[in-house]
Amino acid sequence: QQQVKQSPQSLIVQKGGISIINCAYENTAFDYFPWYQQFPGKGPALLIAIRPDVSEKKEGRFTISFNKSAKQFSLHIMDSQPGDSATYFCAASPGGSGAGSYQLTFGKGTKLSVIP
Amino acid sequence: NAGVMQNPRHLVRRRGQEARLRCSPMKGHSHVYWYRQLPEEGLKFMVYLQKENIIDESGMPKERFSAEFPKEGPSILRIQQVVRGDSAAYFCASSPARYEQYFGPGTRLTVT
Repeated sequence: QQQVKQSPQSLIVQKGGISIINCAYENTAFDYFPWYQQFPGKGPALLIAIRPDVSEKKEGRFTISFNKSAKQFSLHIMDSQPGDSATYFCAASPGGSGAGSYQLTFGKGTKLSVIP
Repeated sequence: NAGVMQNPRHLVRRRGQEARLRCSPMKGHSHVYWYRQLPEEGLKFMVYLQKENIIDESGMPKERFSAEFPKEGPSILRIQQVVRGDSAAYFCASSPARYEQYFGPGTRLTVT
């Protein structure tokens, strides 16, 4: 059972455009939602993360939008650059201290290509 | 501050051999996690450890796989009697407390 659904699977954006990647989750116990960027042959790098008490968080060109009622969150990359070309993963983790509360559950990833 | 270190970066094993993957967390981080990534897939949680303790191993196969994080030295993920299906990238992450997990470069295991 996939608990975090990510779309689209791949995305092509012109340089300077806005890249938007969406994720939906099922587990209402999730309370931490990070995004990771992964280049080929490298490990995932933490980009930005959000908790459910806010609806939006911005860091530089990266913004997370969060909709708790819809159980959805998205990553927006403004002014996309060729160097942003990578695979992006959303993830989620539950709160509390029970079993599984430290696990990150990942989406399947979105391969972003930013063309000049 | 050095990041999470993993070695070896690439490991080739024949079916039936043992694979040992090592992970040194970031300085000051006492939480270590192991994840497995299959091609074109997201990462799947395997195990969460603190020093000398396995906290959550719910994602780790019951047979052939084991993990440890001793008082001194790196965390070790051990796979005994490897099979072709074990071929994957194995990532270690560490965190100073809960939530923010920082990943290493991974070990790519190939079973021939």
